[in-house]
Amino acid sequence: DTGVSQDPRHKITKRGQNVTFRCDPISEHNRLYWYRQTLGQGPEFLTYFQNEAQLEKSRLLSDRFSAERPKGSFSTLEIQRTEQGDSAMYLCASHLNTGELFFGEGSRLTVL
Amino acid sequence: AQSVSQHNHHVILSEAASLELGCNYSYGGTVNLFWYVQYPGQHLQLLLKYFSGDPLVKGIKGFEAEFIKSKFSFNLRKPSVQWSDTAEYFCAVAKAAGNKLTFGGGTRVLVKP
Repeated sequence: DTGVSQDPRHKITKRGQNVTFRCDPISEHNRLYWYRQTLGQGPEFLTYFQNEAQLEKSRLLSDRFSAERPKGSFSTLEIQRTEQGDSAMYLCASHLNTGELFFGEGSRLTVL
Repeated sequence: AQSVSQHNHHVILSEAASLELGCNYSYGGTVNLFWYVQYPGQHLQLLLKYFSGDPLVKGIKGFEAEFIKSKFSFNLRKPSVQWSDTAEYFCAVAKAAGNKLTFGGGTRVLVKP
């Protein structure tokens, strides 16, 4: 148990549908990161939050993607009008200014 | 932008063999360096990290890594692997403590019993 939990673990959806993923970080961790990982690749940075503030967004995060962390605790990542290219594992990680990221088990998205 | 290169995509070796995985990064400033491991069906876990001090870093499960600043490298080693070391290994770099990690593409290691 890493302490970072993600939900759902798997999501299969049809192209054009919206999906939302939730991440609950380790409770005292103030930074929360979202990454995307496709088969055979390392995790790619999407965005991160310091408490409730979204401090950086990758160019990978198109307008169809939005992330929130409204109360500085859990976070959601929404993908609108999904495309087949969005199929990937979406990883959440958190840390407390130690530099080390603690990862969740990921949410696997399959877009048909 | 910083980048991280892992030279080998796949490594196959027998138990008790020695393992060395290469990692090079492109950023010229002060960096923090990490190796993460992902066992089959599991989440990413930290093996070891380097922030400063002794460039030879020891991690969990008998792994170690050496930071060579002049070569922009942070290679991972284990003198004698076990079947349970079968996993994917990722090198990662951050510009400073707390900043986002940039990952390499990973090296898939298969240890034959």
